[in-house]
Amino acid sequence: AQKITQTQPGMFVQEKEAVTLDCTYDTSDQSYGLFWYKQPSSGEMIFLIYQGSYDEQNATEGRYSLNFQKARKSANLVISASQLGDSAMYFCAMRETGGFKTIFGAGTRLFVKA
Amino acid sequence: GAVVSQHPSRVICKSGTSVKIECRSLDFQATTMFWYRQFPKKSLMLMATSNEGSKATYEQGVEKDKFLINHASLTLSTLTVTSAHPEDSSFYICSASHWGLAGSSTDTQYFGPGTRLTVL
Repeated sequence: AQKITQTQPGMFVQEKEAVTLDCTYDTSDQSYGLFWYKQPSSGEMIFLIYQGSYDEQNATEGRYSLNFQKARKSANLVISASQLGDSAMYFCAMRETGGFKTIFGAGTRLFVKA
Repeated sequence: GAVVSQHPSRVICKSGTSVKIECRSLDFQATTMFWYRQFPKKSLMLMATSNEGSKATYEQGVEKDKFLINHASLTLSTLTVTSAHPEDSSFYICSASHWGLAGSSTDTQYFGPGTRLTVL
């Protein structure tokens, strides 16, 4: 069965510093997608970054990068140069390619300090 | 691109009434839409998967007669909470998958802004 694990319920980072949010996953499928979403206090889920299981290079989107280690089944999100507006809940998610369900981790709340 | 809207954003209703929440994909056709429920400080719980023109597939433990889902077109899905009770109070979020949208992964779901339901 698929499973997403986020072991950090809360993280603090100083403004302008980088932070890594951990995510490990479990699946028996060879083809899947990994996602990170940001949920600010307003509640909307904002798509940040996607990594396909067959992608050889780590995905990057602006200040976000995904550290994909397939053998270790980890997909950590790295946010560089943290900003106050990055304070939010972050969810790691996985979806089997061609399937319909996306499963979410428990989330990590990030606090950016000025 | 890939914008999903939800309406209403907030609703307060009396116990026993029914509430309809709309989810629309504004700039793409969504063959599949998903409905999630989120409790405070918790992750998203998938309630059902909705495919255009067919019956929704509900997750285990979700009452299909309680949470009616209609996916009438490629841009609209509705969730109706029937005979709402205080325990139905929650944050409901829809998402939509698009296929073939240039520049985006075909596996990505885009989320609506959510609807906060309060049943008195």
